[in-house]
Amino acid sequence: DAGVTQSPTHLIKTRGQQVTLRCSPKSGHDTVSWYQQALGQGPQFIFQYYEEEERQRGNFPDRFSGHQFPNYSSELNVNALLLGDSALYLCASSLAGGDEKLFFGSGTQLSVL
Amino acid sequence: GENVEQHPSTLSVQEGDSAVIKCTYSDSASNYFPWYKQELGKRPQLIIDIRSNVGEKKDQRIAVTLNKTAKHFSLHITETQPEDSAVYFCAASRGGSYIPTFGRGTSLIVHP
Repeated sequence: DAGVTQSPTHLIKTRGQQVTLRCSPKSGHDTVSWYQQALGQGPQFIFQYYEEEERQRGNFPDRFSGHQFPNYSSELNVNALLLGDSALYLCASSLAGGDEKLFFGSGTQLSVL
Repeated sequence: GENVEQHPSTLSVQEGDSAVIKCTYSDSASNYFPWYKQELGKRPQLIIDIRSNVGEKKDQRIAVTLNKTAKHFSLHITETQPEDSAVYFCAASRGGSYIPTFGRGTSLIVHP
Protein backbone atom coordinates (compact mmCIF):
# COMPACT_ATOMS: atom_id res chain seq x y z
CA ASP A 1 0.00 0.00 0.00
CA ALA A 2 1.84 3.07 -1.29
CA GLY A 3 1.86 6.11 0.92
CA VAL A 4 1.93 9.71 -0.25
CA THR A 5 4.75 10.31 -2.72
CA GLN A 6 6.18 13.65 -3.78
CA SER A 7 8.66 14.70 -6.42
CA PRO A 8 11.21 16.07 -6.67
CA THR A 9 12.74 15.81 -3.19
CA HIS A 10 14.91 18.90 -3.64
CA LEU A 11 14.81 21.81 -6.05
CA ILE A 12 16.92 24.92 -6.51
CA LYS A 13 15.52 27.87 -8.47
CA THR A 14 16.32 31.53 -8.93
CA ARG A 15 14.06 34.47 -8.28
CA GLY A 16 11.42 35.02 -10.94
CA GLN A 17 11.40 31.44 -12.15
CA GLN A 18 8.46 29.08 -12.05
CA VAL A 19 8.29 25.68 -10.37
CA THR A 20 5.98 22.65 -10.46
CA LEU A 21 5.81 20.15 -7.62
CA ARG A 22 4.02 16.82 -7.85
CA CYS A 23 2.14 14.59 -5.44
CA SER A 24 0.51 11.17 -5.59
CA PRO A 25 -1.94 10.51 -2.75
CA LYS A 26 -2.11 7.43 -0.58
CA SER A 27 -3.94 4.58 -2.26
CA GLY A 28 -7.69 4.98 -1.74
CA HIS A 29 -7.52 8.70 -0.95
CA ASP A 30 -9.24 11.30 -3.12
CA THR A 31 -8.39 14.63 -1.48
CA VAL A 32 -5.04 16.40 -1.67
CA SER A 33 -3.93 19.35 0.44
CA TRP A 34 -0.73 21.34 0.04
CA TYR A 35 1.16 22.94 2.89
CA GLN A 36 4.19 25.23 3.10
CA GLN A 37 6.54 24.66 6.03
CA ALA A 38 9.14 27.33 6.66
CA LEU A 39 12.15 26.43 8.80
CA GLY A 40 11.15 26.19 12.45
CA GLN A 41 7.45 26.70 11.75
CA GLY A 42 4.34 24.59 11.54
CA PRO A 43 2.83 23.68 8.16
CA GLN A 44 0.75 26.50 6.63
CA PHE A 45 -2.26 25.53 4.49
CA ILE A 46 -2.03 26.58 0.83
CA PHE A 47 -5.04 24.88 -0.80
CA GLN A 48 -7.00 21.68 -1.05
CA TYR A 49 -8.21 19.79 -4.12
CA TYR A 50 -11.15 17.41 -4.36
CA GLU A 51 -12.84 16.13 -7.50
CA GLU A 52 -10.34 18.13 -9.59
CA GLU A 53 -11.54 21.41 -8.07
CA GLU A 54 -9.90 23.75 -5.58
CA ARG A 55 -12.14 23.34 -2.56
CA GLN A 56 -10.44 25.61 -0.03
CA ARG A 57 -7.59 28.09 -0.15
CA GLY A 58 -5.40 29.52 2.55
CA ASN A 59 -3.82 32.95 2.71
CA PHE A 60 -1.47 32.59 -0.27
CA PRO A 61 -1.20 34.84 -3.35
CA ASP A 62 -2.40 33.87 -6.82
CA ARG A 63 1.20 33.03 -7.74
CA PHE A 64 0.40 29.73 -6.08
CA SER A 65 -1.86 27.55 -8.19
CA GLY A 66 -2.66 23.91 -8.44
CA HIS A 67 -4.32 21.13 -10.28
CA GLN A 68 -5.76 17.73 -9.54
CA PHE A 69 -5.92 15.00 -12.14
CA PRO A 70 -8.58 12.28 -12.61
CA ASN A 71 -6.28 9.77 -10.86
CA TYR A 72 -6.29 12.11 -7.79
CA SER A 73 -2.64 13.10 -8.17
CA SER A 74 -1.91 16.79 -7.88
CA GLU A 75 0.49 19.53 -8.86
CA LEU A 76 1.47 22.73 -7.11
CA ASN A 77 2.72 25.55 -9.32
CA VAL A 78 4.46 28.66 -8.07
CA ASN A 79 5.13 31.53 -10.47
CA ALA A 80 7.50 34.48 -10.15
CA LEU A 81 9.43 32.88 -7.31
CA LEU A 82 10.54 35.04 -4.40
CA LEU A 83 13.31 34.37 -1.90
CA GLY A 84 10.59 33.99 0.73
CA ASP A 85 9.13 31.02 -1.12
CA SER A 86 12.05 28.92 0.07
CA ALA A 87 10.50 26.22 2.25
CA LEU A 88 9.51 22.59 2.54
CA TYR A 89 6.33 21.95 0.54
CA LEU A 90 4.26 19.13 1.93
CA CYS A 91 1.44 17.28 0.28
CA ALA A 92 -1.15 15.53 2.42
CA SER A 93 -3.92 13.20 1.35
CA SER A 94 -7.18 12.18 2.94
CA LEU A 95 -10.45 10.48 2.07
CA ALA A 96 -13.52 12.72 1.78
CA GLY A 97 -16.14 11.50 4.21
CA GLY A 98 -13.52 9.44 6.01
CA ASP A 99 -11.92 9.75 9.43
CA GLU A 100 -10.16 13.10 8.77
CA LYS A 101 -6.68 11.68 9.22
CA LEU A 102 -4.11 13.40 7.02
CA PHE A 103 -1.18 11.44 5.63
CA PHE A 104 1.81 13.50 4.59
CA GLY A 105 4.43 12.98 1.94
CA SER A 106 8.10 13.56 2.65
CA GLY A 107 7.97 16.94 0.96
CA THR A 108 9.88 18.92 -1.63
CA GLN A 109 12.59 21.21 -0.28
CA LEU A 110 12.55 24.32 -2.47
CA SER A 111 15.43 26.76 -2.32
CA VAL A 112 15.10 30.08 -4.17
CA LEU A 113 18.38 31.91 -4.76
CA GLY B 1 -9.98 31.75 10.99
CA GLU B 2 -8.53 29.29 13.47
CA ASN B 3 -5.43 30.21 15.47
CA VAL B 4 -3.45 27.57 17.36
CA GLU B 5 -0.86 28.52 19.96
CA GLN B 6 1.63 25.89 21.17
CA HIS B 7 3.99 25.91 24.16
CA PRO B 8 6.78 25.43 24.92
CA SER B 9 8.78 25.87 21.74
CA THR B 10 11.58 23.71 23.17
CA LEU B 11 11.37 21.04 25.86
CA SER B 12 14.40 19.23 27.23
CA VAL B 13 13.93 16.21 29.53
CA GLN B 14 15.90 13.30 30.89
CA GLU B 15 15.13 9.80 29.67
CA GLY B 16 12.33 8.35 31.76
CA ASP B 17 10.79 11.72 32.64
CA SER B 18 7.38 12.84 31.45
CA ALA B 19 6.84 15.57 28.86
CA VAL B 20 3.81 17.79 28.43
CA ILE B 21 3.05 20.02 25.45
CA LYS B 22 0.14 22.45 25.61
CA CYS B 23 -1.97 24.05 22.90
CA THR B 24 -4.83 26.49 22.77
CA TYR B 25 -7.21 27.16 19.89
CA SER B 26 -9.51 30.04 19.04
CA ASP B 27 -12.36 28.61 16.94
CA SER B 28 -15.05 27.16 19.15
CA ALA B 29 -16.33 25.19 16.14
CA SER B 30 -13.12 23.12 15.96
CA ASN B 31 -13.81 19.55 17.00
CA TYR B 32 -10.90 17.47 15.74
CA PHE B 33 -7.42 17.73 17.30
CA PRO B 34 -4.56 15.68 15.84
CA TRP B 35 -0.95 15.56 16.99
CA TYR B 36 1.93 15.00 14.58
CA LYS B 37 5.54 13.99 15.19
CA GLN B 38 8.19 15.12 12.73
CA GLU B 39 11.67 13.69 13.02
CA LEU B 40 14.51 15.62 11.44
CA GLY B 41 14.26 15.51 7.64
CA LYS B 42 11.16 13.32 7.67
CA ARG B 43 7.44 13.72 7.06
CA PRO B 44 4.99 14.67 9.81
CA GLN B 45 3.32 11.53 11.11
CA LEU B 46 0.04 11.36 13.00
CA ILE B 47 0.65 9.89 16.45
CA ILE B 48 -2.68 10.42 18.16
CA ASP B 49 -5.89 12.41 17.72
CA ILE B 50 -8.92 13.33 19.77
CA ARG B 51 -12.40 14.52 18.98
CA SER B 52 -14.41 17.03 20.97
CA ASN B 53 -16.83 14.45 22.32
CA VAL B 54 -13.96 12.84 24.27
CA GLY B 55 -11.99 14.37 27.14
CA GLU B 56 -8.99 12.07 27.10
CA LYS B 57 -7.42 9.41 24.92
CA LYS B 58 -4.45 7.14 25.60
CA ASP B 59 -2.20 5.04 23.41
CA GLN B 60 0.55 3.29 25.34
CA ARG B 61 2.91 6.04 26.60
CA ILE B 62 1.05 8.85 24.87
CA ALA B 63 -2.12 10.58 26.02
CA VAL B 64 -4.06 13.64 24.93
CA THR B 65 -6.48 15.66 27.02
CA LEU B 66 -9.02 18.21 25.81
CA ASN B 67 -10.78 20.98 27.70
CA LYS B 68 -13.40 22.37 25.31
CA THR B 69 -14.57 25.06 27.68
CA ALA B 70 -11.09 26.52 28.02
CA LYS B 71 -10.12 25.62 24.43
CA HIS B 72 -7.02 23.83 25.67
CA PHE B 73 -5.57 20.49 24.67
CA SER B 74 -2.37 18.80 25.71
CA LEU B 75 -0.06 15.95 24.77
CA HIS B 76 1.45 13.87 27.55
CA ILE B 77 4.36 11.48 26.97
CA THR B 78 5.37 9.26 29.87
CA GLU B 79 8.64 7.34 30.34
CA THR B 80 10.30 9.31 27.56
CA GLN B 81 12.95 7.62 25.43
CA PRO B 82 15.66 9.11 23.18
CA GLU B 83 13.67 8.04 20.12
CA ASP B 84 10.88 10.37 21.25
CA SER B 85 13.16 13.28 20.32
CA ALA B 86 11.45 15.15 17.48
CA VAL B 87 9.29 18.17 16.74
CA TYR B 88 5.67 17.74 17.80
CA PHE B 89 2.84 19.73 16.22
CA CYS B 90 -0.66 20.14 17.55
CA ALA B 91 -3.49 21.04 15.20
CA ALA B 92 -7.18 21.86 15.24
CA SER B 93 -9.88 21.66 12.60
CA ARG B 94 -13.61 21.79 12.06
CA GLY B 95 -15.18 18.45 11.43
CA GLY B 96 -15.45 17.66 7.75
CA SER B 97 -12.98 20.31 6.59
CA TYR B 98 -9.90 18.04 6.57
CA ILE B 99 -7.89 21.26 6.90
CA PRO B 100 -6.17 21.40 10.30
CA THR B 101 -4.47 24.57 11.46
CA PHE B 102 -1.10 23.75 12.99
CA GLY B 103 0.75 25.15 15.94
CA ARG B 104 4.35 26.27 15.55
CA GLY B 105 5.78 23.08 16.99
CA THR B 106 7.65 21.93 20.08
CA SER B 107 11.14 20.54 19.79
CA LEU B 108 11.38 17.72 22.33
CA ILE B 109 14.88 16.63 23.30
CA VAL B 110 15.24 13.51 25.42
CA HIS B 111 18.68 13.14 26.96
CA PRO B 112 19.91 9.57 27.59
